[in-house]
Amino acid sequence: RKEVEQDPGPFNVPEGATVAFNCTYSNSASQSFFWYRQDCRKEPKLLMSVYSSGNEDGRFTAQLNRASQYISLLIRDSKLSDSATYLCVVTSGNTGKLIFGQGTTLQVKP
Amino acid sequence: ETGVTQTPRHLVMGMTNKKSLKCEQHLGHNAMYWYKQSAKKPLELMFVYSLEERVENNSVPSRFSPECPNSSHLFLHLHTLQPEDSALYLCASSRRFGTGGTGELFFGEGSRLTVL
Repeated sequence: RKEVEQDPGPFNVPEGATVAFNCTYSNSASQSFFWYRQDCRKEPKLLMSVYSSGNEDGRFTAQLNRASQYISLLIRDSKLSDSATYLCVVTSGNTGKLIFGQGTTLQVKP
Repeated sequence: ETGVTQTPRHLVMGMTNKKSLKCEQHLGHNAMYWYKQSAKKPLELMFVYSLEERVENNSVPSRFSPECPNSSHLFLHLHTLQPEDSALYLCASSRRFGTGGTGELFFGEGSRLTVL
């Protein structure tokens, strides 16, 4: 089983749509969780950390369910500029080493 | 402008060549990383250096040889590579490695390697 699993997509949505990405992780000892964004032919960049209580940053909401070992990212009112690959990232147990998921590709259409 | 600079951006080499990838970070970070990104696969951690000491080596073949002469520079020396080693090689840095870190890696733009 992969340490971090994501639906690769692609997700094709119209502008203004709400879209949700899911991610599961296998190591129950993982301590920290993140979403990174990678634009086409660019490097990954941190989008947001994911906290146990859930957190929001503008149109983006991240949720964590430790019992189910599940992380989500919700994007409201999608913009064309949101088109990218979204990478789910978790720490490997308590080592602090970051493990990346395969990524979910989002394409927002006009 | 990224705080992590990688050169060359593109490299084509034969299986018998020897080449090196270079990474430089201008962020004052203590940890540096090499990741490999292949199509349709997750980023694979190859090596981690913390305070110039290698702390992680993820079963990478010996044809890849890292070098960290100081906390700002990281090299990946390549020799007798295989076509399946063709990929995007990403360098990253972070303030520190291990627990207590913020989880934020700062990546360079990558070196796209093609092995013929």
